[in-house]
Amino acid sequence: DGGITQSPKYLFRKEGQNVTLSCEQNLNHDAMYWYRQDPGQGLRLIYYSQIVNDFQKGDIAEGYSVSREKKESFPLTVTSAQKNPTAFYLCASSIVRQGSTEAFFGQGTRLTVV
Amino acid sequence: ILNVEQSPQSLHVQEGDSTNFTCSFPSSNFYALHWYRWETAKSPEALFVMTLNGDEKKKGRISATLNTKEGYSYLYIKGSQPEDSATYLCAFVNGGSQGNLIFGKGTKLSVKP
Repeated sequence: DGGITQSPKYLFRKEGQNVTLSCEQNLNHDAMYWYRQDPGQGLRLIYYSQIVNDFQKGDIAEGYSVSREKKESFPLTVTSAQKNPTAFYLCASSIVRQGSTEAFFGQGTRLTVV
Repeated sequence: ILNVEQSPQSLHVQEGDSTNFTCSFPSSNFYALHWYRWETAKSPEALFVMTLNGDEKKKGRISATLNTKEGYSYLYIKGSQPEDSATYLCAFVNGGSQGNLIFGKGTKLSVKP
């Protein structure tokens, strides 16, 4: 089945440690995105990538890093510089990065930093 | 700062009731408006992507309308069923953002059998 796979579903890390969230898609989509959800807030864009080896900061990129070495993969690293890393993280993709194309989402990773 | 507002925040209806929610967005420099359904423990799924003022789209018992001049979209569910229980998200795309979705906080619908 085509889709987006995020792993793990739940992740616990100690404060000060970097952690990488995985996102893989087999939809052959060029564009990929990372969003963050906090209680009572809408999804906020962290980073996006329009094509392999390219990525751009979204609205809340501070404390995060990404890479796009393969079309299928867009991992997100939450660094120790991120002040409030505990959140729910969603990865998405679309055929191209254009506002009239629908986004396809993974099931998310809930990160808890203790 | 571009703001997308959804109302109500939550809604409880009985099976068979028809219901509707609102998404308000900036009326200037409109590019597109998306609606997604997000069921608990699943991924958000696209319902509609609307780009033209006056657009009306329908998928089964769910339909949506778009008014870009006044900056709102309505989502209607006719004859709600328990399986319609989900959070409904709308996302606005500004013409200057080159494709970035700006999400509202969602409307959480619960349909009681």
